[in-house]
Amino acid sequence: EPEVTQTPSHQVTQMGQEVILRCVPISNHLYFYWYRQILGQKVEFLVSFYNNEISEKSEIFDDQFSVERPDGSNFTLKIRSTKLEDSAMYFCASTQNQGRINQPQHFGDGTRLSIL
Amino acid sequence: DAKTTQPNSMESNEEEPVHLPCNHSTISGTDYIHWYRQLPSQGPEYVIHGLTSNVNNRMASLAIAEDRKSSTLILHRATLRDAAVYYCILRDPSKNYGQNFVFGPGTRLSVLP
Repeated sequence: EPEVTQTPSHQVTQMGQEVILRCVPISNHLYFYWYRQILGQKVEFLVSFYNNEISEKSEIFDDQFSVERPDGSNFTLKIRSTKLEDSAMYFCASTQNQGRINQPQHFGDGTRLSIL
Repeated sequence: DAKTTQPNSMESNEEEPVHLPCNHSTISGTDYIHWYRQLPSQGPEYVIHGLTSNVNNRMASLAIAEDRKSSTLILHRATLRDAAVYYCILRDPSKNYGQNFVFGPGTRLSVLP
C-alpha cells in the first residue's frame, strides 16, 4: 500500500538555525498538510497546500515557517530560525482529491525535531 | 470549532469487542465524523469515517446516533496491536473548504492479553 514517507526521522538542530523537514506524499495525491505534536500534547494543524500554494494555515504557522513543493514529488516544511518551543514531532499528510472534502488523510510517521 | 468529547482511557481484553464512544453535540449537518488512531511512535492512521449511516470496513465499524450527536467506534475483536490513542474528529466547520482536522486528546486504549 502506498505511504507517505518523511525524512529524517530525527533532526537535532541548534536554536536559531534553519531546518528543512522533507516529505514524499503518495504519488497521485493533490493536497498536502503539515501537523505537529509537542510531546504529550495534541496533534495540531499547521498548514495545507494545494496547486503550489497555501490553502489554509493556523496561528502557529507564522513568518518563521514556509512550505514548498520544489520538484513535484517532495513537500517541505522550513523553519527559518528555530526556537526551543519548535521541538515536536512533525507529521506530513496527503489526500487524493479535495473535491470530495471528506477524503481521509494519509499520514507519515513523522520527523522528531529537537532544538538545543 | 465543533468539539468532540471522548473518555481519556479505556481498557479491553484481547479478542473481545471494544466500543469507543464519542460525543459531538455541536456537529454541523455536513460534517463527517472521522476516526483515526495513533500507535506509539507513529503518525495518525485513518480508521473509518461516516456521515449518517453506520459504516463498516476491514478495520472497524462506526455506529452513528440518529441525531448525529454521538458515535461509537467498534473494534470487533481487539488485538494487542490495537493499543493506541483513538481520535474522533470532525472537519473544521469554520473552513469553507479544506480538511483541517482538529485533534482532541483522544482515548488511550489499552489491550490486555
